[in-house]
Amino acid sequence: SYVLTQPPSVSVAPGQTARITCGGNNIGSKTVPWYQQKPGQAPVLVVYDDSDRPSGIPERFSGSNSGNTATLTISRVEAGDEADYYCQVWDSSSDHWVFGGGTKLTVL
Amino acid sequence: EVQLLESGGGLVQPGGSLRLSCAASGFTFITNAMSWVRQAPGKGLEWVSAISGSGGTTYYADSVKGRFTISRDNSKNTLYLQMNSLRAEDTAVYYCAKDGRTTVPTGDYFDYWGQGTLVTVSS
Repeated sequence: SYVLTQPPSVSVAPGQTARITCGGNNIGSKTVPWYQQKPGQAPVLVVYDDSDRPSGIPERFSGSNSGNTATLTISRVEAGDEADYYCQVWDSSSDHWVFGGGTKLTVL
Repeated sequence: EVQLLESGGGLVQPGGSLRLSCAASGFTFITNAMSWVRQAPGKGLEWVSAISGSGGTTYYADSVKGRFTISRDNSKNTLYLQMNSLRAEDTAVYYCAKDGRTTVPTGDYFDYWGQGTLVTVSS
């Protein structure tokens, strides 16, 4: 089965740039959405189709995907960005959705 | 405004059954595939099951296949998850989620999520 690997945690100071990676075999051939989840809340879509943003999501959130790694980049990090972030892909070989293990973003 | 409202969670004994519902509004329900995603306490997201807009195609995670059944009533704009032979490891918050663009689950994204309903399996 397809596996997505995320770092358990990423820490960044306010105003800096956070990069959260999502590793998977030839993930660049798939489209990757990213979700933000704050404690006690449902996940929220922040990036889809590798790099597009839904309406209402700040331009500070961007994504890229190539080779074996997809990356969510959050520029000018704010305290309110502190949350868990998840990547996701559709594994067509098994007809399963797969989530990464999640990355906890801490704003120092 | 799109809204997804789950219900039906609660405490159930191991081996028991429960049916979750997700009432949808604010979009043309039949045009979107839907999924159930769960999150055990303190853990990450785990996809459970998906269903096409017509209801004719269903997919299941290996961990629930043969025990859970996903269905939908497009006349009532409602998604269901029938859960049988429940185990302690099924304890989680269960979310319903809407596919962004597609009628069949084929690698889109989830643009809306419900607030979740808690299922606790314990004696």
